[in-house]
Amino acid sequence: DTAVSQTPKYLVTQMGNDKSIKCEQNLGHDTMYWYKQDSKKFLKIMFSYNNKELIINETVPNRFSPKSPDKAHLNLHINSLELGDSAVYFCASSPTTGTSQQYFGPGTRLTVT
Amino acid sequence: GENVEQHPSTLSVQEGDSAVIKCTYSDSASNYFPWYKQELGKRPQLIIDIRSNVGEKKDQRIAVTLNKTAKHFSLHITETQPEDSAVYFCAASKNNFNKFYFGSGTKLNVKP
Repeated sequence: DTAVSQTPKYLVTQMGNDKSIKCEQNLGHDTMYWYKQDSKKFLKIMFSYNNKELIINETVPNRFSPKSPDKAHLNLHINSLELGDSAVYFCASSPTTGTSQQYFGPGTRLTVT
Repeated sequence: GENVEQHPSTLSVQEGDSAVIKCTYSDSASNYFPWYKQELGKRPQLIIDIRSNVGEKKDQRIAVTLNKTAKHFSLHITETQPEDSAVYFCAASKNNFNKFYFGSGTKLNVKP
């Protein structure tokens, strides 16, 4: 009965590789998000999707490409990984836009060596 | 755009004492203010939220107050317990806006 799930939980890879993180929510929510949490714990929004449509793209390098095949899934593909991409990436969802509670996934700890 | 500032960055209290974390925001159109608790290695989880038509909200040992005029809101935890130790984030958002602005977090340590 997991609400928001992400895979994988841990990802260790070398610089220059391409990797993907998957996210699924079974809450029937319309809106999904990707956040990056760095070592200082800052939670920074990367993308926001509403009903499979990209709504917000926050000054994220175009090496990061989100894809939403349906409104229950929002995947994150990262090309040419760099050391600075190391962080915990959280997926989240909310029923509607703006003023509704967000539910976070368990996070994916990405380590780029 | 919105700017949310959170203080203090770290807070250490004795078990049983109260803890207060404060946030300010800049966009007067913001009308939804959630607070999240993140335990070590876990996901952020909503603990309480408040909307701009309310000045205070309580849930057992946790309360949130909102001052719309001054554009600040605060989290109050009474009778703190060691399991309250975590990082707490405030956030602000508004209607029809697919974005939450998060504060920088407060690491709360409750000493037994």
